[in-house]
Amino acid sequence: QVQLVQSGAEVKKPGASVKVSCKASGYTFTGYYMHWVRQAPGQGLEWMGWINPNSGGTNYAQKFQGWVTMTRDTSISTAYMELSRLRSDDTAVYYCARVAGIAVAGKYFDYWGQGTLVTVSS
Amino acid sequence: SYVLTQPPSVSVAPGQTARITCGGNNIGSKSVHWYQQKPGQAPVLVVYDDSDRPSGIPERFSGSNSGNTATLTISRVEAGDEADYYCQVWDSSSGGVFGGGTKLTVL
Repeated sequence: QVQLVQSGAEVKKPGASVKVSCKASGYTFTGYYMHWVRQAPGQGLEWMGWINPNSGGTNYAQKFQGWVTMTRDTSISTAYMELSRLRSDDTAVYYCARVAGIAVAGKYFDYWGQGTLVTVSS
Repeated sequence: SYVLTQPPSVSVAPGQTARITCGGNNIGSKSVHWYQQKPGQAPVLVVYDDSDRPSGIPERFSGSNSGNTATLTISRVEAGDEADYYCQVWDSSSGGVFGGGTKLTVL
């Protein structure tokens, strides 16, 4: 069965960077785009961008351009999201989510990781 | 950028029908997807492409989309349906767009 397992919670200081991993199993990792979505405490869902695990190509939401980097390691079926220059309002749960449909960039998300809480605090 | 608007909250008695709306400019021309999120859990897809249900989602969940409003309808509401619900579309210029979410309360 399809599973997305994310790395554990992180506590970071303002100005630092964080890298969250998302290990995929149960399907062909390179066949499906992977997206990242975040949710601040008590707030809604916010789309951050996607990575094409096959080519490594990326597309970031305008808000995150210049300070988010999405990468992947196909040898271990893992996607990564790195956010730099962290601020307190980056405190959120970060989710990876697989897009339904082979080689489709944007559609709906059929599988989600369990979420990774990133806390930014001095 | 494309904006989706949802009511912050909807309340319904058990056994009744809940309707959660999602407004957007000419949203009827887009495919709308709906997620259910319970506290401390990741979102779960409950309706995709306006009105289709993933396997395992009860028939009580249905969707429609026309004009400037999409609607998620939950029939015969149960206590276990209490959750936050989010609509989502894919916009060619904005990318993934989520509504602000609606908290469904079962009275």
